[in-house]
Order: sequence, then structure tokens, then C-alpha cells
Amino acid sequence: KQEVTQIPAALSVPEGENLVLNCSFTDSAIYNLQWFRQDPGKGLTSLLLIQSSQREQTSGRLNASLDKSSGRSTLYIAASQPGDSATYLCAVGSRGRRALTFGSGTRLQVQP
Amino acid sequence: SAVISQKPSRDICQRGTSLTIQCQVDSQVTMMFWYRQQPGQSLTLIATANQGSEATYESGFVIDKFPISRPNLTFSTLTVSNMSPEDSSIYLCSVERSFGGYTFGSGTRLTVV
Repeated sequence: KQEVTQIPAALSVPEGENLVLNCSFTDSAIYNLQWFRQDPGKGLTSLLLIQSSQREQTSGRLNASLDKSSGRSTLYIAASQPGDSATYLCAVGSRGRRALTFGSGTRLQVQP
Repeated sequence: SAVISQKPSRDICQRGTSLTIQCQVDSQVTMMFWYRQQPGQSLTLIATANQGSEATYESGFVIDKFPISRPNLTFSTLTVSNMSPEDSSIYLCSVERSFGGYTFGSGTRLTVV
């Protein structure tokens, strides 16, 4: 059974810092990994999708990497802004299971 | 990519009653997924809904409590039955996009009093 872990659970940084969010998964037989953002009480916004054949994806100030062999992904946020404050969720699509398995999230607070 | 319209966006319900949540997708999809997010927690899969067949429920979720309908390839409903305060959560539907990855509805924030 796939298990997804995110570290840290919470993070508070001053505006302008670069930061890294970590995600690990137990079963490397994945077909993709997706990072989402969730604002309080709201739904999910997709940030980046990495297919199993890819090593990284970039969108603006966000960069996500994937290392299947070690069961890890990182989300890098450059030059953080107060508007980046949200919960970031890592989710894995595993072979043999069409639905996503989610990590518990990292709650990010960027201080102005 | 698919766009999902989910409603209601929120509701406050009395215990013992039922609430039906609807998701409408702007394109045909084979599978739809229903998730629950309890306060302060991550998302947990409730069930997978295929058109024309009964939904497949995850461990800990049963059809009598969370009946699902999937009448066609663009629509699904989830009912939360005989509600108790423990059912207070955000409920989300999701579909897999044609190029991979998933899209989610905006969620239904349910409070049971």
C-alpha cells in the first residue's frame, strides 16, 4: 500500500526566502506525482505534474523534482511571497490504483 | 483539461439528515473519484465511481453511508447519509485528465450540527 509523507508539517519563513518542501513515497511503481496548493477551506489547485519518466517540472517560481528510485520529490519555491501562504499537498498516482494517494501536507506561512 | 462544477459549495445540516453533493464535468470521463478531508487532515479516498457500475469503496467507507450515483460520463453525486458531527468535512470530487494528472472540484464544506 502506497504511503506518502511530507516534511515539514509546517514552515514559517520571511518574505523573499527560497524554500524546499519534501515528499517521500514508499512504492516507487508510480505513474505520476502531482503537487497541489490548498487555501484554507478551499479546494485544490494543481501546481505541477511530473510523469514517471520525467525528473523535474518548472512553472514560474516553482520547480518540482522527482527521484523514483529513492521515492522522493521536492518542491522548490523561489523568492517566496506572502501570497504563497497555503498548504502544499503532494499526491502520487500508483500503478494499479487510479486514484491519488495524498501526503498530509506542509502548511506554509510567508511573513511580510 | 476537464473543468468540474461542484455544488453546493457549503452547507450546514442537522444531524440525522442527508446531503447530496453534485459534480458536473465539462467532458466525458471514465472514472470519477470522491474524497473526504476532515478538519486539519489530508484527503482520503472514499470511492471510485464508474459509469454503469457500482462504485468501489475504500476500507472504512460503506455504500449505505455514502451512496454514489454515476448516471452518465459527465455527472456524479455523493450522498452523506444520516449525518453526525463527525461527518463535518470538505468533500471533493476529482477526475483524471487526458494527459495525466487530476483535476478537482472546488469542494463542499459540510458542517453538521
